Amino acid sequence: AQSVSQHNHHVILSEAASLELGCNYSYGGTVNLFWYVQYPGQHLQLLLKYFSGDPLVKGIKGFEAEFIKSKFSFNLRKPSVQWSDTAEYFCAVNDDRGSTLGRLYFGRGTQLTVWP
Amino acid sequence: DGGITQSPKYLFRKEGQNVTLSCEQNLNHDAMYWYRQDPGQGLRLIYYSQIVNDFQKGDIAEGYSVSREKKESFPLTVTSAQKNPTAFYLCASSWTGSRYNEQFFGPGTRLTVL
Repeated sequence: AQSVSQHNHHVILSEAASLELGCNYSYGGTVNLFWYVQYPGQHLQLLLKYFSGDPLVKGIKGFEAEFIKSKFSFNLRKPSVQWSDTAEYFCAVNDDRGSTLGRLYFGRGTQLTVWP
Repeated sequence: DGGITQSPKYLFRKEGQNVTLSCEQNLNHDAMYWYRQDPGQGLRLIYYSQIVNDFQKGDIAEGYSVSREKKESFPLTVTSAQKNPTAFYLCASSWTGSRYNEQFFGPGTRLTVL
């Protein structure tokens, strides 16, 4: 089965600091990669996704992520965080195996707290 | 508005009682999913369905049951056999079970078993 690791469980930053959240997955075949965000009291929503092509993908609210196939990684970055970025962030992966087509595997999440 | 609705938002039940959580979508999606979210554990897949009248177990299906009689609806029953049912339950949907399709999530139901 696929496994997804998010190494940072809780990250605390001051406004304007740079952010990088790590995500690694285990399956060596073709994957699609996602970052979802859950703001306090809101639905889980998609930040960005990678299917193919340019490994540097840009998402909403100034977030970006880089797919590094050789490292099985898909790290999320933002150059300058804001207080409104306080949320829980989830990395998710699906793959090309027919038996589990369409299902997502989620990491355990990273709680980001940004101090004003 | 298109979207996924889950009801109720908060649910309290006594230990030993079965309880059914509702999930409805009007996005015309074929696939629907149920996840359980616990602090520090991320989202764990309970059941998913890619077509009406068919569903598959996820990673933590024990103590849960589902049905998919209509495309729009995918109710989840938490049975008395589920040893630790207190959790936040999320429903999601997507286009047919292709790996290219993102999942859209409902607002969740927080179940507390007393």
